[in-house]
Amino acid sequence: DAKTTQPNSMESNEEEPVHLPCNHSTISGTDYIHWYRQLPSQGPEYVIHGLTSNVNNRMASLAIAEDRKSSTLILHRATLRDAAVYYCIHDYNNNDMRFGAGTRLTVKP
Amino acid sequence: DAGVIQSPRHEVTEMGQEVTLRCKPISGHDYLFWYRQTMMRGLELLIYFNNNVPIDDSGMPEDRFSAKMPNASFSTLKIQPSEPRDSAVYFCASSRDSKNQPQHFGDGTRLSIL
Repeated sequence: DAKTTQPNSMESNEEEPVHLPCNHSTISGTDYIHWYRQLPSQGPEYVIHGLTSNVNNRMASLAIAEDRKSSTLILHRATLRDAAVYYCIHDYNNNDMRFGAGTRLTVKP
Repeated sequence: DAGVIQSPRHEVTEMGQEVTLRCKPISGHDYLFWYRQTMMRGLELLIYFNNNVPIDDSGMPEDRFSAKMPNASFSTLKIQPSEPRDSAVYFCASSRDSKNQPQHFGDGTRLSIL
């Protein structure tokens, strides 16, 4: 089964950058790395995804290690609205994604 | 653009009753997914469809659960008979028909079986 490893929880101060790590040592060469987040009482929300090179969008940046066994989601300036559970996933079977426990991010004012 | 629409938002019913959850995917999306989320097991994929055809139902817990997609704009997840351990939040998601497209989730149905 596709497996990722993330810290259970992290804290950040508002307006500071946040680096959320993920290990995915069993990833295959064609699996993309996806990040989703889930705010309280809402469904998961897509954040970003990538294959090999680093990716940027309006929400975050994704830094992927050269060996692809780990990645880091970077929120450049955390806000209180970024407090959520962040899931790192690699889809080993097309669109079939398996969510782990994720990292609960707390943002302190 | 309307997102994925799920109904009802909340459902409370007694064990043994039939429960039907509904989902309207985003127009133009060819993949539809049903997930279940509990505190104990987290977010689990139950089943997914491509072009209205079930592709993988290995996550469906048992025969009491069934899912259908009669057309591109509607899907149902049915539990019959329901049991208290089925209490959870059920999410529907949809995505475009190509590998690695983002999944768009609905707001979920919070189901409580008494």
